[in-house]
Amino acid sequence: GAGVSQSPSNKVTEKGKDVELRCDPISGHTALYWYRQSLGQGLEFLIYFQGNSAPDKSGLPSDRFSAERTGGSVSTLTIQRTQQEDSAVYLCASSLQSRGETQYFGPGTRLLVL
Amino acid sequence: SQQGEEDPQALSIQEGENATMNCSYKTSINNLQWYRQNSGRGLVHLILIRSNEREKHSGRLRVTLDTSKKSSSLLITASRAADTASYFCATDAFKNDMRFGAGTRLTVKP
Repeated sequence: GAGVSQSPSNKVTEKGKDVELRCDPISGHTALYWYRQSLGQGLEFLIYFQGNSAPDKSGLPSDRFSAERTGGSVSTLTIQRTQQEDSAVYLCASSLQSRGETQYFGPGTRLLVL
Repeated sequence: SQQGEEDPQALSIQEGENATMNCSYKTSINNLQWYRQNSGRGLVHLILIRSNEREKHSGRLRVTLDTSKKSSSLLITASRAADTASYFCATDAFKNDMRFGAGTRLTVKP
């Protein structure tokens, strides 16, 4: 398949541990997004990458959250010193060039912090 | 912060009935999109309507946009049990900032 993939599908961790979530966007898509969705809630924007431009980090909830995108393709979202309130589904999406275009979503990573 | 807000939060109908969901937003937009989400996983794009369009159709879906009222509606005709999902609107504001609403949870009873 040529869709957006995310790994792992599920992650259970202990409070205080660091976690890394991975996203492989659709090949050729230059825009990549991370969102967080708590149970039964809407999508909370976290961060947006577009080509070689500086990422829009305005949605990151705290300095424990960071993300990088290597080589303009794969992206990793890192959460340091996880807290129970970080438990959520983390969704990655990509689009061809920029915001406002159709976004293609991965299946998400369900994170549970005990 | 969220830009779009869907209404109602939850909707339950019988198979074969039509389902209407609404979305209101706050700032001027380039376009508005509707997405569907099954089982809390990835979203699937349904339809995009541009700010200069008033209505758009795709199969059993009909989307309207009223920029004067800053609102959009999604109509699903002849609903099926498989349409059970959460539906989100997303707006692309002119500052190139895209935001999703909290969603409408649709249940279609067979």
